[in-house]
Amino acid sequence: AQSVTQPDIHITVSEGASLELRCNYSYGATPYLFWYVQSPGQGLQLLLKYFSGDTLVQGIKGFEAEFKRSQSSFNLRKPSVHWSDAAEYFCAVVMIYGGSQGNLIFGKGTKLSVKP
Amino acid sequence: NAGVTQTPKFRVLKTGQSMTLLCAQDMNHEYMYWYRQDPGMGLRLIHYSVGEGTTAKGEVPDGYNVSRLKKQNFLLGLESAAPSQTSVYFCASSTSGRTYEQYFGPGTRLTVT
Repeated sequence: AQSVTQPDIHITVSEGASLELRCNYSYGATPYLFWYVQSPGQGLQLLLKYFSGDTLVQGIKGFEAEFKRSQSSFNLRKPSVHWSDAAEYFCAVVMIYGGSQGNLIFGKGTKLSVKP
Repeated sequence: NAGVTQTPKFRVLKTGQSMTLLCAQDMNHEYMYWYRQDPGMGLRLIHYSVGEGTTAKGEVPDGYNVSRLKKQNFLLGLESAAPSQTSVYFCASSTSGRTYEQYFGPGTRLTVT
């Protein structure tokens, strides 16, 4: 069955430091992968997505993610974290039912705290 | 465009009471979804709809019912609320094209006492 694992429940980084959030997936075929961000009290906002092609994808707010098929990973990175990046981050894989209909399977999330 | 809106934002119910959560989208999306979010559990799919008049069960459908009478609206009902249904509920929608990107509403925080 398709699944997504985010090994880190909570990460704290200093403002200006680099960030890497880990995501591992289990999926039989080529996966469609997403990273979403949820600020406190808000809904989820799409950061970036991978469907095919270049394995390094750029997203909004200066985030990028790299798809590594050999490691079944899709880690999210940012070179320099800002205090406003404090939020919860969710990785998701699409489970395709057929045609153009697919449901998202979410990881349990990683909460990011940023130290001044 | 308002995107995806949810009504109400907050609600407190007593055990056994019923209520309906309303989700509305103005993006003409075919697909709509209801999730619940619990601490440490991520988002879990309750029910979804692939078009007006159609609904299907997700991962955690028990205790919930849904209806999609109009394309733009997706209703989630709790017939007899239980404390285990205390959660934050999110609605989302997506197009029928193969983008699979879902747009989320701001959520409804429900407490059942």
